[in-house]
Amino acid sequence: SQTIHQWPATLVQPVGSPLSLECTVEGTSNPNLYWYRQAAGRGLQLLFYSIGIGQISSEVPQNLSASRPQDRQFILSSKKLLLSDSGFYLCAWSVATLVGGYTFGSGTRLTVV
Amino acid sequence: AQKVTQAQTEISVVEKEDVTLDCVYETRDTTYYLFWYKQPPSGELVFLIRRNSFDEQNEISGRYSWNFQKSTSSFNFTITASQVVDSAVYFCALSEAQDDKIIFGKGTRLHILP
Repeated sequence: SQTIHQWPATLVQPVGSPLSLECTVEGTSNPNLYWYRQAAGRGLQLLFYSIGIGQISSEVPQNLSASRPQDRQFILSSKKLLLSDSGFYLCAWSVATLVGGYTFGSGTRLTVV
Repeated sequence: AQKVTQAQTEISVVEKEDVTLDCVYETRDTTYYLFWYKQPPSGELVFLIRRNSFDEQNEISGRYSWNFQKSTSSFNFTITASQVVDSAVYFCALSEAQDDKIIFGKGTRLHILP
């Protein structure tokens, strides 16, 4: 069966520090991968998505970047965090046709101080 | 452009009452998919349903039911005989057929009071 792993669960980072959040999927090949952010009191904002290795689509201009070095690995990064980067980050995967929608990871709660 | 509106930010009902969560969507595509997700306090999002634009038949799953009406661009979600465990944030979402991504509404926070 397919599983998605996302870590860490909680992270507190100072302003200006780098960030690396990792997401991996098991039990499937060539998944679509997604990073969403949920700020306090707001909905889910799509940040990046990837339909293949090395292929990244960015939905909003921001301080973050994403990479997909392997088929089932999706990494969210920042060189210098801002206070506004605080939020709940969710990784998700799907098959190409979105049958069954997304399967989400358990999320990372990031607090930038 | 695609858009999902959940006008109800927060709803509180007493246990065993029925409650309907509204969802209105906008899309220019004739082929699209609609979704509902549940986000319990743990934070993880749980997939509830996917419906394609050609299937307007209402669906029932236990205490959950969904009413899809293309004429009003709505995809409403009803919980019958609500329970405290139904307390969560519920998201409605939309994906256009040629797209690889899902766009979410802002969510409705549902409180079921004992």
